[in-house]
Formats: sequence, C-alpha cells, structure tokens
Amino acid sequence: QSALTQPRSVSGSLGQSVTISCTGTSSDVGGFKYVSWYQQHPGKAPQLIIYDVSERPSGVPDRFSGSKSGNTASLTISGLQAEDETDYYCFSYADSYTWVFGGGTKLTVL
Amino acid sequence: QLQLQESGPGLVKPSETLSVTCTVSGGSIRSSSYYWGWIRQPPGKGLEWIGSIYYSGIAYYSPSLKSRVTISVDTSKNQFALKLTSVIAADTALYYCARHPNSASGRLDYWGRGTLVTVSS
Repeated sequence: QSALTQPRSVSGSLGQSVTISCTGTSSDVGGFKYVSWYQQHPGKAPQLIIYDVSERPSGVPDRFSGSKSGNTASLTISGLQAEDETDYYCFSYADSYTWVFGGGTKLTVL
Repeated sequence: QLQLQESGPGLVKPSETLSVTCTVSGGSIRSSSYYWGWIRQPPGKGLEWIGSIYYSGIAYYSPSLKSRVTISVDTSKNQFALKLTSVIAADTALYYCARHPNSASGRLDYWGRGTLVTVSS
C-alpha cells in the first residue's frame, strides 16, 4: 500500500481556478467511490472539505469541488482566495478496511 | 459538539513503546455509526493513516505499521488508545485522533488537535 501521488505544489492567481490531482491505482482511488480531501493550515488539524469523491460537508464553500476519473481524483478550487493558500491532502479507501493518504500539495495563491 | 483530545508522553526512548490516548467528549464512543482512528504527521511532512477501531474492539491497521501497532478502546472512559512498539526516530510525529463513518467512506469529520511525540534518547 503506497501513498497516493499528489503534486508537491500548485499555484494559481487570485480569482482563478486550480486543480490538484491525486493518483492511485485500481486497488484504491480507481476501485472505490471513497476519496476525501482535507485542507490543513499551519499548526492546525486537517479539515474535511470533500468526501465520497464529490460531496461537500455543510459549511464548505461551493468553490471547492471534487471529481474522479479512473485512478485519479481531483480537487478543484475556483475563485481562488488568499486564505486558500495552504496544504491539501487526498485520502482514499484501499480495500479491507484500510485507507491511504496522498503525499500532500502546497497551494500558492499568486 | 463532539470533541476529541489526544494525550501522550511527549518523549519516548528508541526501542520503547509509544502510548497515546484519545478522549472523546460531547458524544459516545459506543455509537454504531462510527470508527475511531489514528493518523500521524512527522514534522514538516504529510499525513499517514495508522489504524481505526470500532467500539466493539474490532480494529484495522495500516499494512506498513501492522506488526508494531495495537489500537484498543475503553468504552467506560469514552477513550481509545494507540500503542506503537519498538519506536525509532522516524516515529517522531504529531499524532491525531479522528472519527469516520462505519463504512468504506474515509470521511474524517472530527479531529483532535494532535499530540507531539518525540522519539529520542
């Protein structure tokens, strides 16, 4: 069970959109509809922003959206705001009641 | 409002056993709807799922840590605990506890603030 692959960093301009990818295998991301995404500000616990590929918890802005195609899940943030600049992690079910995180992506807002 | 609070020793010597506890308040750990999990984050690095436990005691572990990890639950205290044996410096991390549904959905919706455990002699 290897960590899911995320780009180490991505960047986007204020007001624009950015997409963060999360690539796994048919044994995790590709095999199930159970990918979640977390936002983590420095010194804080991670916060759930997307679950079950594309569902948004109450209170999370609709600027955050999720999708999946094959073995790759994606988080898209539209209308980038300064406070979106932080770290993002994907998390996928990997069968037999085990789960695996992605390596994390640092988002820079230009 | 559900709250999770980790507690741990702060410092553990190499080769010894790391023990951390998560106390759940504002809700019952006996809920049939949830699993209770442990996640860690080495300083400056990413998140790693360690394992999760159901109130009945059924536990699941990361294959990479399975040989050294035991997660237990004490419903009378509304707590669950992590033990990691034979620790090395690479086990130095912020250890978080969190809740997720009793399903394949890894929806970690409530987290503790984490407790830092340093492995050093």
